Amino acid sequence: GENVEQHPSTLSVQEGDSAVIKCTYSDSASNYFPWYKQELGKGPQLIIDIRSNVGEKKDQRIAVTLNKTAKHFSLHITETQPEDSAVYFCAAKATGFQKLVFGTGTRLLVSP
Amino acid sequence: DAGVIQSPRHEVTEMGQEVTLRCKPISGHDYLFWYRQTMMRGLELLIYFNNNVPIDDSGMPEDRFSAKMPNASFSTLKIQPSEPRDSAVYFCASSLAPSYEQYFGPGTRLTVT
Repeated sequence: GENVEQHPSTLSVQEGDSAVIKCTYSDSASNYFPWYKQELGKGPQLIIDIRSNVGEKKDQRIAVTLNKTAKHFSLHITETQPEDSAVYFCAAKATGFQKLVFGTGTRLLVSP
Repeated sequence: DAGVIQSPRHEVTEMGQEVTLRCKPISGHDYLFWYRQTMMRGLELLIYFNNNVPIDDSGMPEDRFSAKMPNASFSTLKIQPSEPRDSAVYFCASSLAPSYEQYFGPGTRLTVT
């Protein structure tokens, strides 16, 4: 089955810096890659997703890139703000399967 | 819409007791997922339903765990008997389809003493 690895487990940046979180997946049949943000005491919320027919997607300060050959995808947050502090999860889903497989999460801390 | 609703938000119980967690998915969503989140194992899918029918329960840890979805607007996850290692945050999520966004509820924090 699918296996998703996520790095780093923790990331500390200064406000205004960029943050990059990387994930690798094992199943070449995976075609849907969402990113979720989880704030303290809340459930995960989708912030951006990408499908395998595109290599990059942007939404304001966040972007996701996908390298199907290498089987990895990354989340990029520019001009970080303290409110970006949270745990971020990547996930992958393969064609024909209904389940999302989540990475282990990255705790991002943005210091003012 | 109010989003996915879960109750209770917190549950503290003693080992051996029965625990029932409840979920109301977003109206119109055909898929409902139950997840468990712990520090050690991260976010694990326990079971999911499609149109009220359980499709994959391979993530349910033991026979002590059971889940039902009697109608499109209600699901339960039951643990009987509960054990301290069941302590975790349990999330319910719903979606229109698997490749669409999953909307998570606020979770139920379960503590078994």
